[in-house]
Amino acid sequence: KAGVTQTPRYLIKTRGQQVTLSCSPISGHRSVSWYQQTPGQGLQFLFEYFSETQRNKGNFPGRFSGRQFSNSRSEMNVSTLELGDSALYLCASSLFAGANVLTFGAGSRLTVL
Amino acid sequence: GESVGLHLPTLSVQEGDNSIINCAYSNSASDYFIWYKQESGKGPQFIIDIRSNMDKRQGQRVTVLLNKTVKHLSLQIAATQPGDSAVYFCAENIDGANSKLTFGKGITLSVRP
Repeated sequence: KAGVTQTPRYLIKTRGQQVTLSCSPISGHRSVSWYQQTPGQGLQFLFEYFSETQRNKGNFPGRFSGRQFSNSRSEMNVSTLELGDSALYLCASSLFAGANVLTFGAGSRLTVL
Repeated sequence: GESVGLHLPTLSVQEGDNSIINCAYSNSASDYFIWYKQESGKGPQFIIDIRSNMDKRQGQRVTVLLNKTVKHLSLQIAATQPGDSAVYFCAENIDGANSKLTFGKGITLSVRP
């Protein structure tokens, strides 16, 4: 059974650019959550999607957005990148919304120069 | 506001000894408390969770204790093994309706052979 797959694993962007990250959940999992991990702030919740609907959003500016497709795959987008957006972006999936048991992917490491 | 913190940044234990990782939380409204571990280069991995109406829960070689009076959570690992070396995070879920977890900063567990 394949785990949570995130692409790309590593990417480098410059300030002002935008980036799209992709997440394929475990087969059968319908809920996808996104987290940002930085050394200073730790793991911070970005948003959760279930059945193509955003159920909850963390305290991040509108530059951060996401969506979920009918096959449960999810993407997140960050526009007008800032240096502080450099982070490991983690996607997690679960069978249903509100689960504590999240299966995380290995993350997408974004570096903004 | 919401805050989940850990008392110590690092913990070094001898292989075979028991490990105790502590966590303080501030949101008395949280309904679930969860422990995750993160190995280098990987996403967090679920270990165990406990609901606020419980004081103790046991898993395989792990026990989580919850003291709501002093807002304290601990993870006990029996017979610590080298494979237990990782960063451990406590997290809380306010209501279980969403997978919006608030994570602590993390503590590194290092197992000496």
